[in-house]
Amino acid sequence: DGGITQSPKYLFRKEGQNVTLSCEQNLNHDAMYWYRQDPGQGLRLIYYSQIVNDFQKGDIAEGYSVSREKKESFPLTVTSAQKNPTAFYLCASSIRDHNQPQHFGDGTRLSIL
Amino acid sequence: KNQVEQSPQSLIILEGKNCTLQCNYTVSPFSNLRWYKQDTGRGPVSLTIMTFSENTKSNGRYTATLDADTKQSSLHITASQLSDSASYICVVSASYSGAGSYQLTFGKGTKLSVIP
Repeated sequence: DGGITQSPKYLFRKEGQNVTLSCEQNLNHDAMYWYRQDPGQGLRLIYYSQIVNDFQKGDIAEGYSVSREKKESFPLTVTSAQKNPTAFYLCASSIRDHNQPQHFGDGTRLSIL
Repeated sequence: KNQVEQSPQSLIILEGKNCTLQCNYTVSPFSNLRWYKQDTGRGPVSLTIMTFSENTKSNGRYTATLDADTKQSSLHITASQLSDSASYICVVSASYSGAGSYQLTFGKGTKLSVIP
């Protein structure tokens, strides 16, 4: 079955540590996205990529970095510069048609030790 | 500033009853409106997506309506089931020509609890 796989499901970060969240899709979608979800708030866009080897900052990119070396993969690194990283992180993908929905993974919950 | 407001914030209904969730938006230029269902600890799943010319769309027991003039949408759930317990998120897309890009604005969601 086609879909988006995020791993790990739960992740813990120590102070000063960088951590990388994995996102893989086998839907053959060109576009991929990273969102952050906090309690009581709408999803906020961190980074997005519409094509391999290209990506753009979203609304809250500070303290995060991404790469898009393969069409299927869009990993997100939460750096030590992100001072409030505790959140639920969602990866999504879509075809490059703004009238088509995004498909989401099941998220990674990041917590600070 | 583009905004999407959903109401109510939370709702509790008895199994088998109907309910309606509301979404008001101030997004321009409007492209489409989406409803997603998000189970606790899972990613959102698309229910419907409506463009400017569509004023109603159904997906099983879910029926979404759109009034582009008043900038309002509703999601009606018929004969609710326990599995309908989830957060329902309204998302509005603004499309910008030339750059071929679009921007999504997410509502905070309505948390629905269906009890036996």
